[in-house]
Amino acid sequence: DVKVTQSSRYLVKRTGEKVFLECVQDMDHENMFWYRQDPGLGLRLIYFSYDVKMKEKGDIPEGYSVSREKKERFSLILESASTNQTSMYLCASIIGGVGTDTQYFGPGTRLTVL
Amino acid sequence: RKEVEQDPGPFNVPEGATVAFNCTYSNSASQSFFWYRQDCRKEPKLLMSVYSSGNEDGRFTAQLNRASQYISLLIRDSKLSDSATYLCVVNGAGNTGKLIFGQGTTLQVKP
Repeated sequence: DVKVTQSSRYLVKRTGEKVFLECVQDMDHENMFWYRQDPGLGLRLIYFSYDVKMKEKGDIPEGYSVSREKKERFSLILESASTNQTSMYLCASIIGGVGTDTQYFGPGTRLTVL
Repeated sequence: RKEVEQDPGPFNVPEGATVAFNCTYSNSASQSFFWYRQDCRKEPKLLMSVYSSGNEDGRFTAQLNRASQYISLLIRDSKLSDSATYLCVVNGAGNTGKLIFGQGTTLQVKP
């Protein structure tokens, strides 16, 4: 059974703080993703990675960076948190390659920036 | 225009009803299609993939119309436990597994 875990379920930070969101998957998946989910906007892709040390911008990368030093771990970094980054953050992974389909999601981190 | 569009609802139906959701997508080159289910304050989980020939899984039937670029999900004999948000999902370009999500349709099944 695939397991994707995220470091925190709930997080409260102050404007200007540096925030790290960690995601770990235990199924040796190549591809990992960070989304944010907001009411009325659905899931929007922030960044994704298809290999160690590789990263690609998604649809809304501004204000975020990522790190993938090991295959199982994909970190999302908010360099200087702002109130408009208050959201639900979801990490996902998929094995990669033609014919793959199911993305497995972590439980999400609900981040509030004050 | 959004790449994947759904009616957000909510759809309020009585137990036992049949309910259908539609979704349209803009990229005619899309190859893979899915319905995900998301319960309140939980992560999305795959409900079913959608194949060109249509597919059924118990009370759930998914259909794909490539010519019109829409996907549908039919739920028969609705249960209270079907209450959730249903996300229409389309695979993006390449084989990176990048998925494009609709904003979801909320279903509330009432006793």
